[in-house]
Amino acid sequence: DAMVIQNPRYQVTQFGKPVTLSCSQTLNHNVMYWYQQKSSQAPKLLFHYYDKDFNNEADTPDNFQSRRPNTSFCFLDIRSPGLGDAAMYLCATSGSLAGGSQYFGPGTRLLVL
Amino acid sequence: TQLLEQSPQFLSIQEGENLTVYCNSSSVFSSLQWYRQEPGEGPVLLVTVVTGGEVKKLKRLTFQFGDARKDSSLHITAAQPGDTGLYLCAGGAQVDYKLSFGAGTTVTVRA
Repeated sequence: DAMVIQNPRYQVTQFGKPVTLSCSQTLNHNVMYWYQQKSSQAPKLLFHYYDKDFNNEADTPDNFQSRRPNTSFCFLDIRSPGLGDAAMYLCATSGSLAGGSQYFGPGTRLLVL
Repeated sequence: TQLLEQSPQFLSIQEGENLTVYCNSSSVFSSLQWYRQEPGEGPVLLVTVVTGGEVKKLKRLTFQFGDARKDSSLHITAAQPGDTGLYLCAGGAQVDYKLSFGAGTTVTVRA
């Protein structure tokens, strides 16, 4: 089945220690997104890629970076995690139609000690 | 980003009762999605509506898109404990690839 996969599902890191979260998709979608979600709130968009074209949200902290080496994979790098970065991180994909549906992965729960 | 107001924020009902969640905006959307999210999991797409006045049914769930494409509702008939979760509406516009999310409705169905 076509899907969005996130690894790991749970990640524990120490304050200030860099961490990388990964996402892969078998949907062959052009657009990939990274969201941050805290306790039953709506997901907050961090950035998205249309193919290799990177689009950063204005309020995304510089601490968050992303890489998309190919169509299938996208990575979220948190350079110096703080306690406030503990959250669920969601990867999503969508096709080439603007305003179209997005398909989410299962998420990675990040805990910062 | 266009604002979507979702109500109510919380809903707790007994098994077998009906419920409705609303999603309203002053902006027009080209599409409106409804997602359900269970604790510790990602949102799962339930439905996408694109035509003003459109009604879609998914078993006991009925989704409606307003005639002006500014609002939507989700109605669940005879709710079951398996319907428990966070329901999110999200609107898309053809100007970009982003979605505007409502704040979510936490639904709890008690057995």
